[in-house]
Amino acid sequence: DAGVTQTPRHEVAEKGQTIILKCEPVSGHNDLFWYRQTKIQGLELLSYFRSKSLMEDGGAFKDRFKAEMLNSSFSTLKIQPTEPKDSAVYLCASSPTGWNNQAPLFGEGTRLSVL
Amino acid sequence: QQNVQQSPESLIVPEGARTSLNCTFSDSASQYFWWYRQHSGKAPKALMSIFSNGEKEEGRFTIHLNKASLHFSLHIRDSQPSDSALYLCAVNPGGYKVVFGSGTRLLVSP
Repeated sequence: DAGVTQTPRHEVAEKGQTIILKCEPVSGHNDLFWYRQTKIQGLELLSYFRSKSLMEDGGAFKDRFKAEMLNSSFSTLKIQPTEPKDSAVYLCASSPTGWNNQAPLFGEGTRLSVL
Repeated sequence: QQNVQQSPESLIVPEGARTSLNCTFSDSASQYFWWYRQHSGKAPKALMSIFSNGEKEEGRFTIHLNKASLHFSLHIRDSQPSDSALYLCAVNPGGYKVVFGSGTRLLVSP
């Protein structure tokens, strides 16, 4: 079975650049999540889509982070402009029913390094 | 605001040992609880879940939930080197705003 696919796996950016991370959810899943993972903060929710509609825009992350879901099989996370503190692993997850009785499936993530 | 804490931060155990990982949460109304396992450079994968007080066993893994004490735990019997990973607990009070713990890094030495 195809899982959640994230590209690229690694990204290196200079401070101030714009980067776009991509995610293909599992076919048929209605919910899509973007998380940021760091050793200090753990997993933090960035965005949440239900049936392509943005339900959560990330609160403290909304000023430079923008997630979009143009169709049910593709989502992007844009960071503009990047800062060194954005260095982290960015994880995408999808689920047929959100976080109820079935846990979402995660992709392997994009490791971002901002110099 | 849900607060989820994991302990210990890291753990080294010999192969064959019993391992216990702990997770405490602050919202007694939380409904869904999961343990995830994440090998280095890989996707977090749901290991086990529990939705009511008590115990649940699957193979070498057992989870306990006690909502009154705001605590749930994961126990691994006969730990194997392949169990070496980051273990994350996740708590859902309802809806989509799941809160993750910061993780316990387990190393099982051969």
